[in-house]
Amino acid sequence: EAGVAQSPRYKIIEKRQSVAFWCNPISGHATLYWYQQILGQGPKLLIQFQNNGVVDDSQLPKDRFSAERLKGVDSTLKIQPAKLEDSAVYLCASSLALATKETQYFGPGTRLLVL
Amino acid sequence: GNSVTQMEGPVTLSEEAFLTINCTYTATGYPSLFWYVQYPGEGLQLLLKATKADDKGSNKGFEATYRKETTSFHLEKGSVQVSDSAVYFCALSRQGGSEKLVFGKGTKLTVNP
Repeated sequence: EAGVAQSPRYKIIEKRQSVAFWCNPISGHATLYWYQQILGQGPKLLIQFQNNGVVDDSQLPKDRFSAERLKGVDSTLKIQPAKLEDSAVYLCASSLALATKETQYFGPGTRLLVL
Repeated sequence: GNSVTQMEGPVTLSEEAFLTINCTYTATGYPSLFWYVQYPGEGLQLLLKATKADDKGSNKGFEATYRKETTSFHLEKGSVQVSDSAVYFCALSRQGGSEKLVFGKGTKLTVNP
């Protein structure tokens, strides 16, 4: 079974530029998550989708971050404009369904460096 | 709100030593508890989990018991190997495993031959 795919794996940009990350979840997984992992800290949830609807985006900085999952499969996370403090690893995860005991499976992450 | 506190690292052990990584949590209700592991250059992988009090999760020689009375979920292994070198994260989910995960800061383990 293929795992969660993410691209790119690494990205270096200058502050005030924009950047986008892509995630393809495990086939058949209805729930998709984006986490931000700053160096030395545990991952923090940014946004959670159930199919193409948003379940939780309470910790998403909506003035600069946006995410979509238009067809309920792939998802894109965008930052515009980027700030230095956005340097982090962005992790995508998926699980079969919401409000269940299903495990979340994580992708390899995209490492972002903002200069 | 919900939170997880785990012991600060890094932890350095010799091969075959006993490992304990402490984890305590604060949560309302009855959360599910997890240990995830991140090997160098790889993504997070679920190591083990427990979904109710007194449950013991186990995998690859690692164990952790859900202790509601002490709000703890300490990770243990009787004899570590060099291949266990990784960062270990304790996490909770308000219900089940598909609700958002709240992670601790992680503990880096290095096992020397």
